[in-house]
Amino acid sequence: EPEVTQTPSHQVTQMGQEVILRCVPISNHLYFYWYRQILGQKVEFLVSFYNNEISEKSEIFDDQFSVERPDGSNFTLKIRSTKLEDSAMYFCASSQGGEKLFFGSGTQLSVL
Amino acid sequence: AQSVTQPDIHITVSEGASLELRCNYSYGATPYLFWYVQSPGQGLQLLLKYFSGDTLVQGIKGFEAEFKRSQSSFNLRKPSVHWSDAAEYFCAVGAQGGNEKLTFGTGTRLTIIP
Repeated sequence: EPEVTQTPSHQVTQMGQEVILRCVPISNHLYFYWYRQILGQKVEFLVSFYNNEISEKSEIFDDQFSVERPDGSNFTLKIRSTKLEDSAMYFCASSQGGEKLFFGSGTQLSVL
Repeated sequence: AQSVTQPDIHITVSEGASLELRCNYSYGATPYLFWYVQSPGQGLQLLLKYFSGDTLVQGIKGFEAEFKRSQSSFNLRKPSVHWSDAAEYFCAVGAQGGNEKLTFGTGTRLTIIP
């Protein structure tokens, strides 16, 4: 089965630093998503992206966050100035449109 | 706003025993309902989904779930669990359209004992 690939699997950063989380969605998919899961809490929707623009975003996705599809294969999440509360597992997902989201294995972000 | 409640944080079941994981949802219209499984170090894998039609849906790995509108529930079941079923299970609800954001429950951790 095709996979969504996320790199790195673990990222440690200092508070205030910028981080970029990378994802390679499945090649023929058109819809892209970021979700996050703070330890012990539920998986939360951050943003969806279609046709090179954000289609929906949550309250969590403030001005510190941005997404980009720089080259037609990668899909990135940037956090400009990380805060302690940004520590979480970040999941990328993609779909063809419709019912099935394919999730990556996640990037564990630790902000110190 | 849509929401999902998984009342059981942790369940322990003996291998070979039956399993039922509970999920209750809140959604204003007909929901799209999903069960995902997350094994350690892995991503979220879709087990099954309900959009419409038959309220008993079959999924992968021998799992099934039943949509009960009157109870706002979508419980996951398996008649006989295997040690490899030990994982975290997430129920999720989505808006009609199917590819918009999903709202997840807090998850149920399943432990299997010999």
